[in-house]
Amino acid sequence: GAGVSQSPSNKVTEKGKDVELRCDPISGHTALYWYRQSLGQGLEFLIYFQGNSAPDKSGLPSDRFSAERTGGSVSTLTIQRTQQEDSAVYLCASTARGLLNYEQYFGPGTRLTVT
Amino acid sequence: ELKVEQNPLFLSMQEGKNYTIYCNYSTTSDRLYWYRQDPGKSLESLFVLLSNGAVKQEGRLMASLDTKARLSTLHITAAVHDLSATYFCAVDRERLWEVSNYQLIWGAGTKLIIKP
Repeated sequence: GAGVSQSPSNKVTEKGKDVELRCDPISGHTALYWYRQSLGQGLEFLIYFQGNSAPDKSGLPSDRFSAERTGGSVSTLTIQRTQQEDSAVYLCASTARGLLNYEQYFGPGTRLTVT
Repeated sequence: ELKVEQNPLFLSMQEGKNYTIYCNYSTTSDRLYWYRQDPGKSLESLFVLLSNGAVKQEGRLMASLDTKARLSTLHITAAVHDLSATYFCAVDRERLWEVSNYQLIWGAGTKLIIKP
C-alpha cells in the first residue's frame, strides 16, 4: 500500500526565500509529525498534529517556521526567510490511532539546501 | 527530564563479530521502537517491543526490552557489511495501557560500520 510521501525530494533555495514542504501521510493515520535531521545528527522534533486537536508546536525553532494540516490529511511545513542553518533533511511521519503500537512510518524526506 | 541514551554512538566492527547496542531511557514506558537509517535514506522500522521481556528477532538482529531496568538491547550476530547503518531507538512517553499522546522520545542514534 501507499506509504508516507513527501515533496519535493530536494529543494535548493536562496537565503531569504520562503519554502513550502509537503507531506502526504498514510491514509487513515490521524497523527502526523515533522522532524528535522541535520547531517550526521539525530532527529529534532518540530511539530505534531493529532486529529482535530491543536498541534504541538513546541519543537519549532523560530517563528519563521509554521505548519498546517488541511482536512486532517496533507500537511505543509513553511519556512519563511530561509537561513543557511535551515539546511537539513525534513522528515515527515504518521501514526495510526487506536492501537497499542504507535509505530511511526516515515516518508523519504525533503533535503533542503539554503545557499 | 525525559531522556533516551544510546551507547555507543559510533561502532566500527569486523564482519563475523557479535556486538550489542544499548538503549537506556528515563521514562516508565513499556513501548520501545528500533529503527534503521541507511545513508541518505529515511528511517525504516525494525522492531516494536511492547512489554517487559519482549524479544524480537529478524535475521542477524535481535532486540529485547527490560522495562524494569529501562533498557533495550539490539544484538548483532555474525555481522555482515549490509547491516552498516545508523540505528535509532525511540520510547513512547506513556505506559502500554495508558492513552498515548503519540509522541516518541528519540535516542541520538548509533552509527554502525561493518568492515569486510
